[in-house]
Amino acid sequence: EDKVVQSPLSLVVHEGDTVTLNCSYEVTNFRSLLWYKQEKKAPTFLFMLTSSGIEKKSGRLSSILDKKELFSILNITATQTGDSAIYLCAVHYTGANSKLTFGKGITLSVRP
Amino acid sequence: EAGVAQSPRYKIIEKRQSVAFWCNPISGHATLYWYQQILGQGPKLLIQFQNNGVVDDSQLPKDRFSAERLKGVDSTLKIQPAKLEDSAVYLCASSWGGHQPQHFGDGTRLSIL
Repeated sequence: EDKVVQSPLSLVVHEGDTVTLNCSYEVTNFRSLLWYKQEKKAPTFLFMLTSSGIEKKSGRLSSILDKKELFSILNITATQTGDSAIYLCAVHYTGANSKLTFGKGITLSVRP
Repeated sequence: EAGVAQSPRYKIIEKRQSVAFWCNPISGHATLYWYQQILGQGPKLLIQFQNNGVVDDSQLPKDRFSAERLKGVDSTLKIQPAKLEDSAVYLCASSWGGHQPQHFGDGTRLSIL
């Protein structure tokens, strides 16, 4: 069965710290990996990664994919309390079905 | 650009009752998804539509869940009769097409008593 595993499941840091969130996958017919941020409402899209070794960056957030080792990391530098959320990793298969297979999510708490 | 709209935001019903959720996707998005998110888990796909046709409903409990997307725009998801294990957040998402980033609505939080 295809699987997406995120670690750690929860994390508490202080403002200004840098965090690294991990996502590994065991997916046949892999197409792309996506990161979402979920606060109290809808998951909001952060990044979509399809190629190994190419970093995607948006402000203090960045992400990279390793298709050989089947994992991705999401880095957040100079964390702020507004970064507190659940970070979801999800994988797309190839083929007509474009559903996302999600991990359980990583709960990040940033303390002042 | 307006986001994905869902209603209601919250619903509380007793087991064996029925409930319906509504979703209006982002304008022009051909693909629409319904996900179920149980507390502490990632979202799980229930059904995927491409325009008004079903692409995947393999994880939809068809004895109690049904969904439709008439005219290829709005969609409704229904549960009849509800069970205690249906307590979850029901998320609707849409995308331009397959394998494009999906954009989610705020979800409907369903509690079954």
